Amino acid sequence: SSDLTQAPAAVSVALGQTVRITCQGDSLRSYFASWYQQRPGQAPVLVMFGKNNERPSGIPARFSGSSSGNTASLTITGAQAEDEADYYCNCRASRGDHLVFGGGTKVTVL
Amino acid sequence: QLQESGPGLAEPSDTLSLTCTVSGGSITATTFYWGWIRQSPGKGLEWIAAVYYRGTTYYNPSLRGRVTVSVDTSKNLFSLHLNSVTAADTGVYFCARHRADYVWGRQVPGRMDVWGPGTTVIVS
Repeated sequence: SSDLTQAPAAVSVALGQTVRITCQGDSLRSYFASWYQQRPGQAPVLVMFGKNNERPSGIPARFSGSSSGNTASLTITGAQAEDEADYYCNCRASRGDHLVFGGGTKVTVL
Repeated sequence: QLQESGPGLAEPSDTLSLTCTVSGGSITATTFYWGWIRQSPGKGLEWIAAVYYRGTTYYNPSLRGRVTVSVDTSKNLFSLHLNSVTAADTGVYFCARHRADYVWGRQVPGRMDVWGPGTTVIVS
């Protein structure tokens, strides 16, 4: 079982529309999530991190993050075809010094 | 840049050894940790372990006892050793640079900002 629960497991979004992914877990009350995009056959890419929901250089502004209580969210506003990918949240475990990933969300852009 | 290397095939009960070579920067940089993540076929990401250049290690409890990570500063690389492998260890193994984070005044591995392309390991 994972310390982090992502929802939904899969979602479809029309081109140019908005999609929101959530990540829930007790550890999110104490630590901040990071988010990763993984396109098929590729390594994951960091797209969001930290207290202030920062985007690494090169990540489009249509990606945004938020957090409240035990839930972190990643929102894509105006989804593009290239955003079709699996998305994973990551955070420190609620117990211990290790890191954990959420189960992932498959985003399909129609 | 990071680049994984190692055998693509292992037999059950073997010890799997993978190496990640770091280029374009020093593995002794104080603001980074170096870690491993894997992905079973068709499944999600699983964080395995991370190591600081001075040797401090962090492990996923589900693999503790089977996994060891280490750093070779002279060669600017770090390694993963996973013993007693089974078919369940089949998958793609990624190495990644972790930015240091600070928790209750302690430095710990945080977000993974640079990844290797991954190497496929089949246990059969």
